[in-house]
Amino acid sequence: GAVVSQHPSRVICKSGTSVKIECRSLDFQATTMFWYRQFPKQSLMLMATSNEGSKATYEQGVEKDKFLINHASLTLSTLTVTSAHPEDSSFYICSAASGAYNEQFFGPGTRLTVL
Amino acid sequence: EDQVTQSPEALRLQEGESSSLNCSYTVSGLRGLFWYRQDPGKGPEFLFTLYSAGEEKEKERLKATLTKKESFLHITAPKPEDSATYLCAVQERGSSASKIIFGSGTRLSIRP
Repeated sequence: GAVVSQHPSRVICKSGTSVKIECRSLDFQATTMFWYRQFPKQSLMLMATSNEGSKATYEQGVEKDKFLINHASLTLSTLTVTSAHPEDSSFYICSAASGAYNEQFFGPGTRLTVL
Repeated sequence: EDQVTQSPEALRLQEGESSSLNCSYTVSGLRGLFWYRQDPGKGPEFLFTLYSAGEEKEKERLKATLTKKESFLHITAPKPEDSATYLCAVQERGSSASKIIFGSGTRLSIRP
């Protein structure tokens, strides 16, 4: 149980384009989903927390207009990187939690490369 | 300010050589402490949750323990497939929506 998927696993795009990443909880209902980014050899940095049906809460320093998060259902959250630039290149990881689990369960991550 | 510090930053062991990884934490009230394993290019894989001092949990060659200030991840007779980065994270009592704070991780390498 507690499986989280992400799609796509890898994406390469041109500077200025937008990229959407999907995060799904496959076998449980996720009341809360989290989005992280991770740079090489560094730990996970929380970007935002989203609860189903409400606006996401962004961490300090994360631009909400650049990183759009939608959590429309209990099994799906999306992260859209708008007008991506090379400095947005990173490993993006989502996680999901529910009332049944205190733990967060993580997706496999999405490697974004902006040319 | 809540903090999570892991040591050592990197650890290289010979296959079969047991050791321990440390996670020191500072929170106003601990709700839970989590250990994850992360392989390169993948998301973290959940290992253990510990809730109170004195608690221990085991899974194969791994055992996690908890005190009021730190947690240890003991690895007994490790194998090369145990090579990974091990992440510790804490959740503060009263924190909203399961938010957790990660340490910087320990990169474990097991030589055959």
